[in-house]
Amino acid sequence: ELKVEQNPLFLSMQEGKNYTIYCNYSTTSDRLYWYRQDPGKSLESLFVLLSNGAVKQEGRLMASLDTKARLSTLHITAAVHDLSATYFCAVDNAGGTSYGKLTFGQGTILTVHP
Amino acid sequence: DAGVTQSPTHLIKTRGQQVTLRCSPKSGHDTVSWYQQALGQGPQFIFQYYEEEERQRGNFPDRFSGHQFPNYSSELNVNALLLGDSALYLCASSLRPGGGTEAFFGQGTRLTVV
Repeated sequence: ELKVEQNPLFLSMQEGKNYTIYCNYSTTSDRLYWYRQDPGKSLESLFVLLSNGAVKQEGRLMASLDTKARLSTLHITAAVHDLSATYFCAVDNAGGTSYGKLTFGQGTILTVHP
Repeated sequence: DAGVTQSPTHLIKTRGQQVTLRCSPKSGHDTVSWYQQALGQGPQFIFQYYEEEERQRGNFPDRFSGHQFPNYSSELNVNALLLGDSALYLCASSLRPGGGTEAFFGQGTRLTVV
């Protein structure tokens, strides 16, 4: 059974600082997603990582994927208050014709303080 | 493009009752997946529908059932509701299970069982 673990689960940051959220998963997969969720809201897609070594950046967020280590990172640069939210990684553990069953991590609650 | 739409947005039911939740996928998408997100946790995969058939299923009891219509919209039915069924139910749409495309989530239905 695929397990996805994120750490840290809680992250309190000062504005302007950098930090990284880690996502480890237990079985081979080449499809990993990062989502953002604001309180009481749905999931907003941030990044789709589809191959080993994939790196994507959007604004102050950068995500990478190492399929050999079964590890993805979400790096936050110069945090701002607007980044406060819960961040989830999700792994698509099926293959062939059966993609689309996402297994999510527990989520990382990020709070950015002035 | 309206994106993924779900109805209703909020629902209160009594233990033992039955509930039906509805989802219309994003335009051009033909695959619908349902997730349950309990408070403070990551979403958990319930099942996936493609070509009006259940293609994949997570670890949920038979009380959870679904349907997909020819226009690709979908329903999630839960029978004999338990207090533990209280959660945010999310619908995600994508393009065919083997397509490996990104899943887009609806705004969710908040179900409260009392």
